[in-house]
Amino acid sequence: EIVLTQSPGTLSLSPGERATLSCRASQSVTSNSLAWYQQKPGQAHRLLIFGASRRATGIPDRFSGSGSGTDFTLTISRLEPEDFAVYYCQQYGSSVFTFGPGTKVDI
Amino acid sequence: QVQLQQWGAGLLKPSETLSLTCAVYGGSFSGYYWSWIRQPPGKGLEWIGDVNHSGNTNYNASLQSRVTISVDTPKKQFSLKLSSVTAADTSLYYCARGVRGSYYYMDVWGKGTTVTVSS
Repeated sequence: EIVLTQSPGTLSLSPGERATLSCRASQSVTSNSLAWYQQKPGQAHRLLIFGASRRATGIPDRFSGSGSGTDFTLTISRLEPEDFAVYYCQQYGSSVFTFGPGTKVDI
Repeated sequence: QVQLQQWGAGLLKPSETLSLTCAVYGGSFSGYYWSWIRQPPGKGLEWIGDVNHSGNTNYNASLQSRVTISVDTPKKQFSLKLSSVTAADTSLYYCARGVRGSYYYMDVWGKGTTVTVSS
């Protein structure tokens, strides 16, 4: 099973700043199986990025994904107040989906 | 807009069977894989398994011996059964719509159902 590690665990930033979130895999991941989600308290998870770099429908262009192999990054170019949330990466490999432990972006 | 509404018993005793159902409102039921994911308190997300409209299933090997995911396509519903539960199965359980093939992800999620296992 591929294990995903996310860093940092918590990112303390201010609105307008740039956020860079890391997701590292224990072995190589195919880019088409790497996705990023946002979760806010009391709300359903929201798909942000799939295929490592493709924005999901309706996702603002301040969100971008990059990376390949074992290292992937989610970047939020300029934080808006509604972006403060927990972010998870996910991969599919060896017949199982696995998720990272999450990065909390707070003020 | 696709929405998922889930329900089921929230309090179970050890050895009982967990049973949850998720209904799909809006959108197509075919062409997707319908997933169950859980998150124990203070821990990460764990994919349990999924099913398509034809009843084809995929399970996480770590839970496969206890899990059954089924589908009722005319009703646009899918269900999770997890047998012989223990305290370790206490979690927030989510249903989700999944995509497999060219890409692998879940693009619509339910809000979750809390299941507690306690004697």
